[in-house]
Amino acid sequence: AQTVTQSQPEMSVQEAETVTLSCTYDTSESDYYLFWYKQPPSRQMILVIRQEAYKQQNATENRFSVNFQKAAKSFSLKISDSQLGDAAMYFCAYRRGDPTGANSKLTFGKGITLSVRP
Amino acid sequence: KAGVTQTPRYLIKTRGQQVTLSCSPISGHRSVSWYQQTPGQGLQFLFEYFSETQRNKGNFPGRFSGRQFSNSRSEMNVSTLELGDSALYLCASSLVRGTDTQYFGPGTRLTVL
Repeated sequence: AQTVTQSQPEMSVQEAETVTLSCTYDTSESDYYLFWYKQPPSRQMILVIRQEAYKQQNATENRFSVNFQKAAKSFSLKISDSQLGDAAMYFCAYRRGDPTGANSKLTFGKGITLSVRP
Repeated sequence: KAGVTQTPRYLIKTRGQQVTLSCSPISGHRSVSWYQQTPGQGLQFLFEYFSETQRNKGNFPGRFSGRQFSNSRSEMNVSTLELGDSALYLCASSLVRGTDTQYFGPGTRLTVL
């Protein structure tokens, strides 16, 4: 079974600084997708970034980028120029790739609470 | 385009009762998945519906069930509520299955007394 591990329960960053959130996963599959979701206090789960395992290039979305190390099964999220609105819980998630669409289940890590200091 | 909507947002029930939660996916999305979020267990997959059929099911007892309608709206039902069913229930929709990204609704907060 696939597992996703986020070993840091909490992190803090100064506004305008850069922070990296860690995530490791375990799978025997070669085709899969990785995601970072953000959950602010409002509890709405928001997609931050998505990475396809077959792509060597790291995904980037504005201030958010990932460091995807497939061999090490590591998928970290870097937030640059941190803003107060970035304060939230961040979840790393895995989904097995399946061309038939038979498996859409997301497996989540426990999450990390990020606080941003003004 | 409107996002995923869930109703109601908050519910308080007592043990032994049953509850029905509703999810309306993003327009055009045909796949709906449900997740349970608790402080102790984190986010756990409940089930997925596509074309009115349950395609995947997580490791939950039979008290948890659901269905999907022809307009892709989905409902989940929990019968004989237990205290441990208190949780945030999240619904997510995606355009197609397998490779597409799931977009989440705001959730329904269920409290069982």
